[in-house]
Amino acid sequence: AQSVAQPEDQVNVAEGNPLTVKCTYSVSGNPYLFWYVQYPNRGLQFLLKYITGDNLVKGSYGFEAEFNKSQTSFHLKKPSALVSDSALYFCAVRDLSNDYKLSFGAGTTVTVRA
Amino acid sequence: GAVVSQHPSRVICKSGTSVKIECRSLDFQATTMFWYRQFPKQSLMLMATSNEGSKATYEQGVEKDKFLINHASLTLSTLTVTSAHPEDSSFYICSASDRDYSNQPQHFGDGTRLSIL
Repeated sequence: AQSVAQPEDQVNVAEGNPLTVKCTYSVSGNPYLFWYVQYPNRGLQFLLKYITGDNLVKGSYGFEAEFNKSQTSFHLKKPSALVSDSALYFCAVRDLSNDYKLSFGAGTTVTVRA
Repeated sequence: GAVVSQHPSRVICKSGTSVKIECRSLDFQATTMFWYRQFPKQSLMLMATSNEGSKATYEQGVEKDKFLINHASLTLSTLTVTSAHPEDSSFYICSASDRDYSNQPQHFGDGTRLSIL
């Protein structure tokens, strides 16, 4: 069975500083990895995905993520955070050996202070 | 981009009422739709997978007679919470994928806040 861990419940950064949201995964086969962001009382918005290819994936709103197979990690990064990046971030993994189901991490609340 | 519309966005009703939530893919055909439940400050819990033209597949612990799912067309899936009670109050979110969804992201609706009095 696949699983995702987001070790930090909250991340606080100052505007303009780099932002990192951590994610580690566990799957039996090749992982399909995703990052989503959720604003209050809204659904999830897709940010980026890793399927295959380059380990550094670029996504929406200036976010990127680095796939590290040896560390089974897929950390989300943004070089310069904005106040508007404050939201709830979810890492997710799809395991093709488990009926394509998407498993979500517990979520990390990001607060960017002005 | 792919858009998923979910209605209503908020429902407040009395205990014992049945509530229907619609999930529509507006600009793509979704052979598979997913229904999730989210408690405050928690992650999404998959309730069921809905396939067009066939019965939904429910996750362990989810009552299929309580949460009725219908996926009658490639653009519409509905979740009906039957005889809702206060413990059913939650944020319900649907998602949909088009074509081969193994390497495609799921596209999410904006969720339905259900409050049972």
